[in-house]
Amino acid sequence: DGGITQSPKYLFRKEGQNVTLSCEQNLNHDAMYWYRQDPGQGLRLIYYSQIVNDFQKGDIAEGYSVSREKKESFPLTVTSAQKNPTAFYLCASSFATGQGTDTQYFGPGTRLTVL
Amino acid sequence: LAKTTQPISMDSYEGQEVNITCSHNNIATNDYITWYQQFPSQGPRFIIQGYKTKVTNEVASLFIPADRKSSTLSLPRVSLSDTAVYYCLVAPHRGSTLGRLYFGRGTQLTVWP
Repeated sequence: DGGITQSPKYLFRKEGQNVTLSCEQNLNHDAMYWYRQDPGQGLRLIYYSQIVNDFQKGDIAEGYSVSREKKESFPLTVTSAQKNPTAFYLCASSFATGQGTDTQYFGPGTRLTVL
Repeated sequence: LAKTTQPISMDSYEGQEVNITCSHNNIATNDYITWYQQFPSQGPRFIIQGYKTKVTNEVASLFIPADRKSSTLSLPRVSLSDTAVYYCLVAPHRGSTLGRLYFGRGTQLTVWP
Protein backbone atom coordinates (compact mmCIF):
# COMPACT_ATOMS: atom_id res chain seq x y z
CA ASP A 1 0.00 0.00 0.00
CA GLY A 2 1.26 3.45 -0.86
CA GLY A 3 1.15 5.99 1.90
CA ILE A 4 2.87 8.24 4.35
CA THR A 5 3.84 7.09 7.82
CA GLN A 6 4.88 8.92 10.94
CA SER A 7 6.39 7.51 14.06
CA PRO A 8 5.92 7.39 16.89
CA LYS A 9 2.24 8.24 17.35
CA TYR A 10 2.83 9.57 20.87
CA LEU A 11 6.11 10.97 22.18
CA PHE A 12 7.02 12.26 25.60
CA ARG A 13 10.19 14.17 26.30
CA LYS A 14 11.69 16.17 29.10
CA GLU A 15 12.14 19.87 28.67
CA GLY A 16 15.53 20.75 27.18
CA GLN A 17 15.90 17.55 25.18
CA ASN A 18 16.02 17.42 21.40
CA VAL A 19 13.63 14.97 19.77
CA THR A 20 13.35 13.71 16.18
CA LEU A 21 10.05 12.86 14.53
CA SER A 22 10.08 10.42 11.65
CA CYS A 23 8.22 10.80 8.35
CA GLU A 24 8.43 8.33 5.48
CA GLN A 25 6.48 8.15 2.21
CA ASN A 26 6.37 5.63 -0.62
CA LEU A 27 4.17 7.68 -2.93
CA ASN A 28 7.13 8.79 -5.06
CA HIS A 29 6.36 12.39 -4.16
CA ASP A 30 9.06 14.99 -4.54
CA ALA A 31 7.65 17.50 -2.04
CA MET A 32 7.32 16.96 1.69
CA TYR A 33 6.05 19.22 4.45
CA TRP A 34 5.91 19.53 8.22
CA TYR A 35 3.02 21.24 9.97
CA ARG A 36 2.26 21.96 13.58
CA GLN A 37 -1.28 21.98 14.96
CA ASP A 38 -2.28 23.29 18.38
CA PRO A 39 -5.64 22.50 19.98
CA GLY A 40 -8.53 24.15 18.16
CA GLN A 41 -6.21 25.75 15.65
CA GLY A 42 -5.39 25.29 12.00
CA LEU A 43 -2.16 23.95 10.59
CA ARG A 44 0.98 26.06 10.56
CA LEU A 45 3.83 25.28 8.18
CA ILE A 46 7.21 24.58 9.77
CA TYR A 47 9.42 23.43 6.89
CA TYR A 48 8.96 22.11 3.39
CA SER A 49 11.15 20.45 0.81
CA GLN A 50 10.69 20.29 -2.92
CA ILE A 51 13.66 18.06 -3.70
CA VAL A 52 16.33 16.01 -2.00
CA ASN A 53 18.98 18.03 -0.17
CA ASP A 54 16.92 21.20 -0.34
CA PHE A 55 14.37 22.60 2.08
CA GLN A 56 12.76 25.91 2.94
CA LYS A 57 11.55 27.51 6.14
CA GLY A 58 7.85 27.88 6.62
CA ASP A 59 6.04 30.29 8.88
CA ILE A 60 7.25 28.94 12.24
CA ALA A 61 10.69 27.37 11.63
CA GLU A 62 12.41 28.74 14.74
CA GLY A 63 13.43 25.95 17.10
CA TYR A 64 13.07 23.24 14.46
CA SER A 65 15.43 21.61 11.99
CA VAL A 66 14.98 19.15 9.12
CA SER A 67 16.99 17.11 6.66
CA ARG A 68 16.14 15.60 3.29
CA GLU A 69 18.82 13.07 2.42
CA LYS A 70 16.41 10.67 0.73
CA LYS A 71 13.33 11.29 -1.37
CA GLU A 72 11.27 9.07 0.91
CA SER A 73 12.27 10.59 4.24
CA PHE A 74 11.91 14.00 5.87
CA PRO A 75 12.67 13.85 9.61
CA LEU A 76 11.92 16.81 11.87
CA THR A 77 14.00 17.62 14.93
CA VAL A 78 12.40 19.66 17.67
CA THR A 79 15.27 21.35 19.46
CA SER A 80 15.49 22.71 22.97
CA ALA A 81 15.28 26.19 21.44
CA GLN A 82 11.60 25.65 20.61
CA LYS A 83 9.85 27.43 23.46
CA ASN A 84 6.53 25.62 23.36
CA PRO A 85 7.01 22.28 21.58
CA THR A 86 3.98 20.42 22.90
CA ALA A 87 1.71 20.02 19.87
CA PHE A 88 0.39 17.67 17.18
CA TYR A 89 2.87 17.36 14.32
CA LEU A 90 1.74 16.44 10.82
CA CYS A 91 3.86 15.42 7.87
CA ALA A 92 2.55 15.62 4.31
CA SER A 93 3.77 14.98 0.79
CA SER A 94 2.72 15.95 -2.72
CA PHE A 95 3.87 16.03 -6.30
CA ALA A 96 6.11 19.06 -6.66
CA THR A 97 4.59 20.70 -9.66
CA GLY A 98 4.42 23.92 -7.67
CA GLN A 99 0.75 24.31 -8.39
CA GLY A 100 -1.77 25.17 -5.74
CA THR A 101 -3.93 22.35 -6.99
CA ASP A 102 -1.42 19.71 -5.87
CA THR A 103 -3.12 17.45 -3.34
CA GLN A 104 -1.25 17.06 -0.10
CA TYR A 105 -1.33 13.61 1.48
CA PHE A 106 -0.97 13.62 5.24
CA GLY A 107 0.43 11.12 7.68
CA PRO A 108 -1.37 10.11 10.90
CA GLY A 109 0.55 12.62 13.00
CA THR A 110 2.77 12.52 16.07
CA ARG A 111 1.55 14.00 19.33
CA LEU A 112 4.53 15.40 21.21
CA THR A 113 4.27 16.22 24.88
CA VAL A 114 7.15 17.93 26.63
CA LEU A 115 7.11 17.50 30.37
CA LEU B 1 -2.83 33.67 -1.39
CA ALA B 2 -6.46 34.62 -1.01
CA LYS B 3 -7.69 34.44 2.55
CA THR B 4 -10.80 32.45 3.32
CA THR B 5 -13.54 32.87 5.90
CA GLN B 6 -15.73 30.03 7.08
CA PRO B 7 -17.93 29.41 10.13
CA ILE B 8 -16.08 28.15 13.18
CA SER B 9 -18.65 25.46 13.89
CA MET B 10 -21.86 23.87 12.61
CA ASP B 11 -24.22 21.27 13.99
CA SER B 12 -26.42 18.83 12.13
CA TYR B 13 -28.35 15.62 12.62
CA GLU B 14 -27.86 12.32 10.94
CA GLY B 15 -29.47 12.06 7.54
CA GLN B 16 -29.54 15.79 6.87
CA GLU B 17 -27.74 17.61 4.09
CA VAL B 18 -25.02 19.95 5.32
CA ASN B 19 -23.80 23.00 3.45
CA ILE B 20 -20.62 24.75 4.58
CA THR B 21 -19.95 28.07 2.93
CA CYS B 22 -16.53 29.60 2.49
CA SER B 23 -15.96 33.23 1.59
CA HIS B 24 -12.96 34.19 -0.53
CA ASN B 25 -13.58 37.73 -1.75
CA ASN B 26 -10.04 38.23 -3.07
CA ILE B 27 -9.91 35.09 -5.18
CA ALA B 28 -7.72 35.49 -8.26
CA THR B 29 -8.39 34.32 -11.79
CA ASN B 30 -6.00 31.39 -11.52
CA ASP B 31 -7.15 30.26 -8.09
CA TYR B 32 -8.76 26.90 -7.43
CA ILE B 33 -10.83 26.04 -4.37
CA THR B 34 -9.99 22.92 -2.41
CA TRP B 35 -11.61 21.34 0.64
CA TYR B 36 -9.95 19.03 3.14
CA GLN B 37 -11.47 17.01 5.98
CA GLN B 38 -9.74 16.25 9.28
CA PHE B 39 -10.89 13.73 11.86
CA PRO B 40 -9.68 14.07 15.46
CA SER B 41 -6.04 13.08 15.94
CA GLN B 42 -5.57 12.39 12.22
CA GLY B 43 -4.08 14.27 9.29
CA PRO B 44 -6.37 16.13 6.87
CA ARG B 45 -7.45 14.41 3.71
CA PHE B 46 -8.49 15.86 0.35
CA ILE B 47 -12.24 15.90 -0.32
CA ILE B 48 -12.91 17.91 -3.44
CA GLN B 49 -11.54 20.64 -5.67
CA GLY B 50 -13.08 22.97 -8.23
CA TYR B 51 -12.76 26.13 -10.27
CA LYS B 52 -16.30 27.12 -11.20
CA THR B 53 -19.93 25.95 -11.28
CA LYS B 54 -20.35 22.51 -9.74
CA VAL B 55 -18.13 19.56 -9.00
CA THR B 56 -19.38 16.29 -7.57
CA ASN B 57 -17.64 13.16 -6.41
CA GLU B 58 -18.59 10.18 -4.28
CA VAL B 59 -18.10 12.13 -1.07
CA ALA B 60 -19.38 15.66 -1.64
CA SER B 61 -20.42 18.39 -4.04
CA LEU B 62 -18.81 21.78 -4.45
CA PHE B 63 -20.86 24.71 -5.67
CA ILE B 64 -19.10 27.82 -6.95
CA PRO B 65 -21.14 30.81 -8.16
CA ALA B 66 -20.21 32.80 -11.20
CA ASP B 67 -18.36 35.53 -9.28
CA ARG B 68 -16.36 32.85 -7.39
CA LYS B 69 -16.23 34.97 -4.24
CA SER B 70 -17.63 32.12 -2.22
CA SER B 71 -18.04 28.38 -2.44
CA THR B 72 -20.25 25.84 -0.72
CA LEU B 73 -19.29 22.33 0.27
CA SER B 74 -22.36 20.12 0.34
CA LEU B 75 -22.41 16.82 2.23
CA PRO B 76 -25.51 14.74 1.47
CA ARG B 77 -27.19 12.77 4.24
CA VAL B 78 -24.48 13.10 6.86
CA SER B 79 -23.74 10.41 9.39
CA LEU B 80 -21.98 10.48 12.76
CA SER B 81 -18.74 9.60 10.99
CA ASP B 82 -18.83 12.93 9.12
CA THR B 83 -18.06 14.73 12.38
CA ALA B 84 -14.78 16.45 11.53
CA VAL B 85 -13.11 19.76 10.78
CA TYR B 86 -13.50 20.96 7.21
CA TYR B 87 -10.94 23.33 5.68
CA CYS B 88 -11.46 25.56 2.66
CA LEU B 89 -8.29 26.52 0.79
CA VAL B 90 -7.70 28.78 -2.18
CA ALA B 91 -4.52 28.60 -4.23
CA PRO B 92 -3.46 29.28 -7.82
CA HIS B 93 -3.27 26.50 -10.36
CA ARG B 94 -0.22 28.05 -11.98
CA GLY B 95 2.75 29.64 -10.33
CA SER B 96 4.67 28.30 -7.40
CA THR B 97 2.82 28.15 -4.16
CA LEU B 98 4.68 25.13 -2.94
CA GLY B 99 4.41 25.02 0.79
CA ARG B 100 2.06 27.96 0.92
CA LEU B 101 -1.34 26.42 1.34
CA TYR B 102 -3.17 28.19 4.14
CA PHE B 103 -5.06 25.93 6.51
CA GLY B 104 -7.09 28.23 8.73
CA ARG B 105 -9.14 27.07 11.70
CA GLY B 106 -11.67 25.38 9.47
CA THR B 107 -15.28 24.53 10.34
CA GLN B 108 -15.96 22.00 13.07
CA LEU B 109 -18.98 20.00 11.94
CA THR B 110 -20.69 17.97 14.64
CA VAL B 111 -23.31 15.45 13.60
CA TRP B 112 -25.78 14.36 16.28
CA PRO B 113 -27.83 11.16 16.35
